[in-house]
Amino acid sequence: GEDVEQSLFLSVREGDSSVINCTYTDSSSTYLYWYKQEPGAGLQLLTYIFSNMDMKQDQRLTVLLNKKDKHLSLRIADTQTGDSAIYFCAESNDYKLSFGAGTTVTVRA
Amino acid sequence: DTGVSQNPRHKITKRGQNVTFRCDPISEHNRLYWYRQTLGQGPEFLTYFQNEAQLEKSRLLSDRFSAERPKGSFSTLEIQRTEQGDSAMYLCASSLSGDLDGYTFGSGTRLTVV
Repeated sequence: GEDVEQSLFLSVREGDSSVINCTYTDSSSTYLYWYKQEPGAGLQLLTYIFSNMDMKQDQRLTVLLNKKDKHLSLRIADTQTGDSAIYFCAESNDYKLSFGAGTTVTVRA
Repeated sequence: DTGVSQNPRHKITKRGQNVTFRCDPISEHNRLYWYRQTLGQGPEFLTYFQNEAQLEKSRLLSDRFSAERPKGSFSTLEIQRTEQGDSAMYLCASSLSGDLDGYTFGSGTRLTVV
């Protein structure tokens, strides 16, 4: 089946690193994604990782994948106020994405 | 290309009325997807098209819902006899088949059924 779970809330101080965690169940997932959603807006693809990789870095974003434990994390370095949003983890199998409920990240000054 | 475009952005309707939403995908994308997102949840898959063929429908898509993509370009999602439980954000996305790093979402249509 497809079940994606995330921590619901994260509060972080501006300038610190944020780490958002996610677990998934479908071991046949080919890609895993992180999307960002700001209030009233659609989903913005932040980054993705192919299932045969264990790490991907893209500017301030680092994705770690532990395929054995089916655990995915997103680290945002030097978190800014503009990073306040809901972050969704998603797994894919061919055409369909299965999303977690989202982690609300609040950046405080 | 302006990305995936959805209209209207907001729709308020009375219970029992029919509503129709439109999605214009990225022009070279042959796959088009519909998702529904309720408050506090992640998006849930409803259906997808490859060109004009509807290849998969979720069990969430009751008989009151119908989606079309007649010429393999834009798509419409119609909800008949709306219910309060249909209130949600309806998101459209598009991609090239086999290219899952290019799955792009629109801004969504927020439906409120009163």
